[in-house]
Amino acid sequence: GQQVMQIPQYQHVQEGEDFTTYCNSSTTLSNIQWYKQRPGGHPVFLIQLVKSGEVKKQKRLTFQFGEAKKNSSLHITATQTTDVGTYFCAGRKAAGNKLTFGGGTRVLVKP
Amino acid sequence: EAGVAQSPRYKIIEKRQSVAFWCNPISGHATLYWYQQILGQGPKLLIQFQNNGVVDDSQLPKDRFSAERLKGVDSTLKIQPAKLEDSAVYLCASSKVKGSTGELFFGEGSRLTVL
Repeated sequence: GQQVMQIPQYQHVQEGEDFTTYCNSSTTLSNIQWYKQRPGGHPVFLIQLVKSGEVKKQKRLTFQFGEAKKNSSLHITATQTTDVGTYFCAGRKAAGNKLTFGGGTRVLVKP
Repeated sequence: EAGVAQSPRYKIIEKRQSVAFWCNPISGHATLYWYQQILGQGPKLLIQFQNNGVVDDSQLPKDRFSAERLKGVDSTLKIQPAKLEDSAVYLCASSKVKGSTGELFFGEGSRLTVL
């Protein structure tokens, strides 16, 4: 079945620094979504990418969809303490409708 | 706009007992999902409804889990009998758009502890 993997599993970042988290799918995706889950909270939608090579920005967050539509990345610049949480990517197969989540990247920010 | 409502927020039961969770999606959202999130893992889809029909239940342990969405609005998820490994947060989500697009709106979740 479809698998979505994220690396790294944990990311310790000094406040003010940049980092990138990666998402890889075992199958080609029709689209990919990113969610953020704060500690003790529920996943909250951040963005959806649909086109091959698509890049979208939200303030300090930059999302990219790979050319082959099998991978994606999230880059955060100038990390702040409000960025703490787990970032999940979730992908849908080209021919299907099921949204499969990755294992997430847990981000801890050192002030 | 009211969000996705779930109850109960917390439930503690002993193994082999039964439990039921309730979800009321955002008004007008045709698609409803139940996800299981074990501590430290990503959400795993248990079942997806489109209105009151099942779209995907391939990962639902049907020997112990059941779900229904009568009248295409609210939904219940039941576990009977529960096992220790069922300890998790059960997240209900809904989406507005049919097909392969549309963001998911999650409820606060129902945290189940099986002793």
